[in-house]
Amino acid sequence: NAGVTQTPKFRVLKTGQSMTLLCAQDMNHEYMYWYRQDPGMGLRLIHYSVGEGTTAKGEVPDGYNVSRLKKQNFLLGLESAAPSQTSVYFCASSGQGAIDTQYFGPGTRLTVL
Amino acid sequence: AQSVTQLGSHVSVSEGALVLLRCNYSSSVPPYLFWYVQYPNQGLQLLLKYTTGATLVKGINGFEAEFKKSETSFHLTKPSAHMSDAAEYFCAPDSGGGADGLTFGKGTHLIIQP
Repeated sequence: NAGVTQTPKFRVLKTGQSMTLLCAQDMNHEYMYWYRQDPGMGLRLIHYSVGEGTTAKGEVPDGYNVSRLKKQNFLLGLESAAPSQTSVYFCASSGQGAIDTQYFGPGTRLTVL
Repeated sequence: AQSVTQLGSHVSVSEGALVLLRCNYSSSVPPYLFWYVQYPNQGLQLLLKYTTGATLVKGINGFEAEFKKSETSFHLTKPSAHMSDAAEYFCAPDSGGGADGLTFGKGTHLIIQP
C-alpha cells in the first residue's frame, strides 16, 4: 500500500514553460486536493476534486489547471510557469472530504527561474 | 469563511518541558478541527482530530488538544517534550461554507532544546 505518491519529486522550470504534476492514490478515496506550501504561509488549497470527473477551485487557483480523469489520479498543470509559482506542492486524498483525515504525498519541490 | 491563527511562528522548549501550541479559529459554527505535523522534508501527517463528542482529544506521540467553543480555541499540548517532537505543526479547521477542504494555519515550528 503506497498511499499517496507524487511525481516528480523535484523540477526546475524556466519562466513560460509548462509542466504537469501527477498525484496517485491507492486508497480508493473520492476526494483529492492540491496544496502549495510557501514559507510562513502554511498550506493553501489550489484545486480539489470530490470524485472522478469533477474539479473545483480552492483559495489560490490562478495559473493552474487540474484534471481527474481516473479516480486514483489527480493532475496539476502549469501552462506558463512564473517565478511566483516556485513552491512545494503537496497532494492529499481523503475518503469523506472535510470531516475525514487527509493523507499527504511527499511533495514536489518546484523552482521557476 | 474560516480563518485560523496560530500564535508564534517558532516555539522553543527544553526537552522534558510542557509543549503548548496555540490555535484559534474564527467561525461561530463549531468546525471539525485537525492538527497535522510535518517532519523535515516530508509531507504532513495527522496528529489528532476533533469532529464531535468529547472535547479533549488524544492523538499520536502523546499529544492532545482540547476544543473550547467559548474561546474558539483548539490548543495542542504534550506534557513532556522529546527531541523527536521537533517539527512544524499546523492547525486546520474545516473551511466551512460548503467548501470541501481545510484552512491551514501558517504553522508553528517547534524547537526542542537539549
